[in-house]
Amino acid sequence: KAGVTQTPRYLIKTRGQQVTLSCSPISGHRSVSWYQQTPGQGLQFLFEYFSETQRNKGNFPGRFSGRQFSNSRSEMNVSTLELGDSALYLCASSSAGHGTDTQYFGPGTRLTVL
Amino acid sequence: AQSVTQLGSHVSVSEGALVLLRCNYSSSVPPYLFWYVQYPNQGLQLLLKYTSAATLVKGINGFEAEFKKSETSFHLTKPSAHMSDAAEYFCAVSFETGANNLFFGTGTRLTVIP
Repeated sequence: KAGVTQTPRYLIKTRGQQVTLSCSPISGHRSVSWYQQTPGQGLQFLFEYFSETQRNKGNFPGRFSGRQFSNSRSEMNVSTLELGDSALYLCASSSAGHGTDTQYFGPGTRLTVL
Repeated sequence: AQSVTQLGSHVSVSEGALVLLRCNYSSSVPPYLFWYVQYPNQGLQLLLKYTSAATLVKGINGFEAEFKKSETSFHLTKPSAHMSDAAEYFCAVSFETGANNLFFGTGTRLTVIP
C-alpha cells in the first residue's frame, strides 16, 4: 500500500499571500489530521476530518482552514500568511479515526514565509 | 488539563548502551499513549502504542515501553543503542475514543556516540 503523500514538499510564499497544501491518505483511510511543527511550539494539532466533516479543531486562528473530499483526500489552506506560519505541516491518516488508531504520517510540506 | 511532558530535550548514549527516554502524562481519563520517531526531513513513524491492553508494549526496532498508571509514565527503552537510532523521539497521547487528535510532547533528540 502506498503511504500518505503530501504535495508540494516545499513552498516559499510572502506575507499576505495564501497557500493550499494537499494530502492523500492511505487507501481506505477515512480520517485525516493536520499538524503544524515548529521549533518553538513543537507539534500542534490543527484539525481532523472524517468522512468529509471536520470533527476536531485545534487552537489556531480562522486563517487556517481545511476540507476533505469524497475520496478522503484533504486540503489545508492558510490565508493572509504571516512570518510565524513558517513550519513543517504534517498530514496523518488513520482508518477509522478512533483515539486508539495508529496515525500514519506523510513526509510533510515545509512552508517558508518571507 | 491533559498534557504530555518529555524530560530531557537531548539525550546522548554510547553505542551499545541502554536507551531511556522519559514521558509523563497528565490526564483525568485513561489515555492512549504513543511513541513516534522522526528522522531528519521526514514525517513521523510509529514505534509503539499503548491502548489499555498489556502494560508492557513492544515496538519496532527493539524498542519497548511500559505504562505505569501510578507514576503516570510511559518511558521508552531499548537495551542496546545502535547508530541508526539517532533521531528525534516524540511521546504523544490521545484521550478520546471518538476523536483522533494527538497531543505531543516537546520531543527528545537522541544522539548515539560511536
